[in-house]
Amino acid sequence: QSALTQPASVSGSPGQSITISCTGTSSDVGGYNYVSWYQQHPGKAPKLMIYDVSNRPSGVSNRFSGSKSGNTASLTISGLQAEDEADYYCSSYTSSSSLFGTGTKVTVL
Amino acid sequence: QVQLQESGPGLVKPSETLSLTCTVSGGSISSYYWSWIRQPAGKGLEWIGRIYTSGSTNYNPSLKSRVTMSVDTSKNQFSLKLSSVTAADTAVYYCARIFYRAFDIWGQGTMVTVSS
Repeated sequence: QSALTQPASVSGSPGQSITISCTGTSSDVGGYNYVSWYQQHPGKAPKLMIYDVSNRPSGVSNRFSGSKSGNTASLTISGLQAEDEADYYCSSYTSSSSLFGTGTKVTVL
Repeated sequence: QVQLQESGPGLVKPSETLSLTCTVSGGSISSYYWSWIRQPAGKGLEWIGRIYTSGSTNYNPSLKSRVTMSVDTSKNQFSLKLSSVTAADTAVYYCARIFYRAFDIWGQGTMVTVSS
């Protein structure tokens, strides 16, 4: 059971949009619409940002959006802000397990 | 609102068993799945396993031989035991609630160091 693949880092200027990819297989990301995304600031617990591929929990900014195509899911952050600088993880839920991505560090230039 | 709090020893000796408890407050533990997740310093998240309030479990295949999870609905708690620990098990351990197939509520995390 290998971790889902994410780019190690993504950067953008304030106001820009960035996209983080999360690649798995047909047994996880591609097989279920149960991809979630988490934001983690240093020393803090992760925070749920997206669930079931594209749904935002109450209180999460609509600047965060999710999608999926085949075995790859994506998180897009629009109107990048300084507070968005953090680590981001994707996760895939299956009937017998869960799997996290390798993590992406987002830097706001 | 629902809050989670991990508790347990911060230091465990090699080859011994790591034991942690997660206490759920502000809501009932019943009718949800609950999970343990860990994160070594400077590294990514690793899913350890999940348990339903009926006691049904699923574990990470890479840890399955060493992991046992249990739930005590009368105390609104669930627990993790990880046996035969080594330095590689040193990490921050989080408990989390599963809702809509996602980890929607997390504990603050507890650091566990494996060292003699």
